[in-house]
Amino acid sequence: TAGITQAPTSQILAAGRSMTLRCTQDMRHNAMYWYRQDLGLGLRLIHYSNTAGTTGKGEVPDGYSVSRANTDDFPLTLASAVPSQTSVYFCASSDSLQSSYNEQFFGPGTRLTVL
Amino acid sequence: GQNIDQPTEMTATEGAIVQINCTYQTSGFNGLFWYQQHAGEAPTFLSYNVLDGLEEKGRFSSFLSRSKGYSYLLLKELQMKDSASYLCAVLDSNYQLIWGAGTKLIIKP
Repeated sequence: TAGITQAPTSQILAAGRSMTLRCTQDMRHNAMYWYRQDLGLGLRLIHYSNTAGTTGKGEVPDGYSVSRANTDDFPLTLASAVPSQTSVYFCASSDSLQSSYNEQFFGPGTRLTVL
Repeated sequence: GQNIDQPTEMTATEGAIVQINCTYQTSGFNGLFWYQQHAGEAPTFLSYNVLDGLEEKGRFSSFLSRSKGYSYLLLKELQMKDSASYLCAVLDSNYQLIWGAGTKLIIKP
């Protein structure tokens, strides 16, 4: 079934440790996104990528980095986790970022707890 | 700054009609989206409006007034499975989605 997969499903991480959240899509979408979702707040964009080889900063990029080596994969790395990064992380993709009709398709999410 | 406002929570009865409002103030406008998100799951696309007026899709309709910075999602013939959060999002001038915090809809029998 076509779609977006994320791994791991959930993770408990000690503060100061690094971690990479994985995201893979098989829809050949050009644009990909990483969001975090916290209770009482809307989805907040961390980083995005218009196409393979390019990335950009979203609303809350500090403490996170991304890469886009190919069309399908868009990993998110926390270099040194802090408790405020406890959240649910969603990866999403869309056909094109520079388009008004920009329906985004979401992965199932990764629930991360930083202690 | 950019802002999307929607009610935190609403309650409705199975079989009834409910209207979820969304007001927005954003830098530019390239369309408004509604997504549904069941607890513990990912958001899924419901509707898209870029021109003023009503878009109908089965039991769900979405309305937009760009001059008022206002939209609503109308759900008819409510079913228990419609219990979920409904997220309003606006595509701004940079083609980035600005998200509201979501409206949790509780359906009672």
